[in-house]
Amino acid sequence: TQLLEQSPQFLSIQEGENLTVYCNSSSVFSSLQWYRQEPGEGPVLLVTVVTGGEVKKLKRLTFQFGDARKDSSLHITAAQPGDTGLYLCAGGRGGYQKVTFGTGTKLQVIP
Amino acid sequence: KAGVTQTPRYLIKTRGQQVTLSCSPISGHRSVSWYQQTPGQGLQFLFEYFSETQRNKGNFPGRFSGRQFSNSRSEMNVSTLELGDSALYLCASSSRKGAANTEAFFGQGTRLTVV
Repeated sequence: TQLLEQSPQFLSIQEGENLTVYCNSSSVFSSLQWYRQEPGEGPVLLVTVVTGGEVKKLKRLTFQFGDARKDSSLHITAAQPGDTGLYLCAGGRGGYQKVTFGTGTKLQVIP
Repeated sequence: KAGVTQTPRYLIKTRGQQVTLSCSPISGHRSVSWYQQTPGQGLQFLFEYFSETQRNKGNFPGRFSGRQFSNSRSEMNVSTLELGDSALYLCASSSRKGAANTEAFFGQGTRLTVV
């Protein structure tokens, strides 16, 4: 079973702080996505990384794919209340193999 | 481009009843996946359909079934509802092509409450 473990599970921080969320697996993925989900809504795709070592930036969010394509991180700089939500990573192994979703990190940014 | 549409948004059913949920994917997307999301279990994969064929299946009992039509629209059915089936059911649409192979675009979900 391919598992994607995310840490931390919960995170509550003050507005303006920085944070990093991790997504780890023992399996190699051909691509990895990050999503953010707000209560009562579906997850929204933030980014896709496909190359080992790849770094992508989306405003204050920085995503990195591990060199071995087994792990990824999401770093948020100067967090804002609008960043509050559930962050999910998801990995695929190509073809029509099932996409594996991570266990999720619930982030709360307090004003 | 219209997003993924799920209907209905909210549903209340009684134990023992059955329910059918509908999902219309993004135009041109041929893959539809279904997920169950609960606070305790997180996002659990139910099944994926591509070109009317079930390609992947999660670890759910046979009471959970699905199908996909020639226009890529999909339905999932849950029979003999149990209280534990109360959850947010999410549908995700994918192109399953190239580097975007596993990118999923989710609908807003159907909130099912079993009483």
